[in-house]
Amino acid sequence: KAGVTQTPRYLIKTRGQQVTLSCSPISGHRSVSWYQQTPGQGLQFLFEYFSETQRNKGNFPGRFSGRQFSNSRSEMNVSTLELGDSALYLCASSLSPERNTEAFFGQGTRLTVV
Amino acid sequence: GDSVTQMEGPVTLSEEAFLTINCTYTATGYPSLFWYVQYPGEGLQLLLKATKADDKGSNKGFEATYRKETTSFHLEKGSVQVSDSAVYFCALSLSGGYNKLIFGAGTRLAVHP
Repeated sequence: KAGVTQTPRYLIKTRGQQVTLSCSPISGHRSVSWYQQTPGQGLQFLFEYFSETQRNKGNFPGRFSGRQFSNSRSEMNVSTLELGDSALYLCASSLSPERNTEAFFGQGTRLTVV
Repeated sequence: GDSVTQMEGPVTLSEEAFLTINCTYTATGYPSLFWYVQYPGEGLQLLLKATKADDKGSNKGFEATYRKETTSFHLEKGSVQVSDSAVYFCALSLSGGYNKLIFGAGTRLAVHP
């Protein structure tokens, strides 16, 4: 079956712009989580969505937001981009939000802010 | 706060050598523990998991045992291959029904023929 699909794979934006990243989970998966991966901070949890509701949010500024649609696809948005937002953004999907459910990760979107 | 600490890398081994990557955690309650692997240019793949104390997770020759008394979840493999070269992440998820993973910094493993 198809895995988690993230688009686009690579993105270059200018400081101050905004960006939207997309994640299509595995068919039948209803929970989607987002993570930011940087060399300095490692992998950090951004937020989790289930049934179109944000269930949990990490310690990121309000410039980072997300949503989930009725088909479980999710988008995350970063407004007023800063150089420090350059990172690999990973999306993970799970059948359910239970903590022992395996999370399947996409290949990520590499965002570069110049 | 809740956190995961991994041994720093890179770890460089010859093929067929024994591998240990140390992982310790700090968490309230009873977390579930995971090892994920990231190959170059790819996302993370679940390698193994353990959900309660003394559980042993195993997959593809890798093993890790959930040790509550030492708050550890060390990854081991008896004989590594070149294809095992990757970055390995230890992670935990907390009780409470949420899917949030807290990751360690990752350990890069390089295996040479």
